[in-house]
Amino acid sequence: AQKITQTQPGMFVQEKEAVTLDCTYDTSDQSYGLFWYKQPSSGEMIFLIYQGSYDEQNATEGRYSLNFQKARKSANLVISASQLGDSAMYFCAMREGPNFGNEKLTFGTGTRLTIIP
Amino acid sequence: KAGVTQTPRYLIKTRGQQVTLSCSPISGHRSVSWYQQTPGQGLQFLFEYFSETQRNKGNFPGRFSGRQFSNSRSEMNVSTLELGDSALYLCASSPLDRATYEQYFGPGTRLTVT
Repeated sequence: AQKITQTQPGMFVQEKEAVTLDCTYDTSDQSYGLFWYKQPSSGEMIFLIYQGSYDEQNATEGRYSLNFQKARKSANLVISASQLGDSAMYFCAMREGPNFGNEKLTFGTGTRLTIIP
Repeated sequence: KAGVTQTPRYLIKTRGQQVTLSCSPISGHRSVSWYQQTPGQGLQFLFEYFSETQRNKGNFPGRFSGRQFSNSRSEMNVSTLELGDSALYLCASSPLDRATYEQYFGPGTRLTVT
């Protein structure tokens, strides 16, 4: 079974609109972390936001927020007021187990977001 | 603070050859992880080194190996290259401070095997 599922291969969004990128995960660990990364065409992975499994509040970083629904095992990324520079691949990733001593990230297949002027 | 650097950025090799890729983590970071990215398999974890020791390993054949030096720089080696090894190889480093839990990625090395 896939540990990280991103069901939207591609999305087109009008500039200035909000966009939600879906991510569901599967783990039996109680302690885990969820990440979103952005990968522009240059190839470098850019960290956007992190949510720990024990965090009670949804994480926010500027225009990015993570809609964490633990019971549904869902960790959707919300980008408010999209900009042309947001066009990129977006990956959801998970680290299972305690944070220290475990750096392995499992990635989803990604969503290609295109912002239309 | 300088970011994660990877050399070379691009590489073309022939089947059967071997290749060594290098990664210099952010100063002070002691953990270095390697990932392979291909269109077919996506992003897959190769291995992670911490204080010169391999701490975690992904599901790759023994042709893929790595090491870490005392200054935390890491190298990965692929022997007997196959066409399927063509990929973007990404290196990431992590700080000891777990406040952000973030991994910082380098720009990657794009390997083409012909």
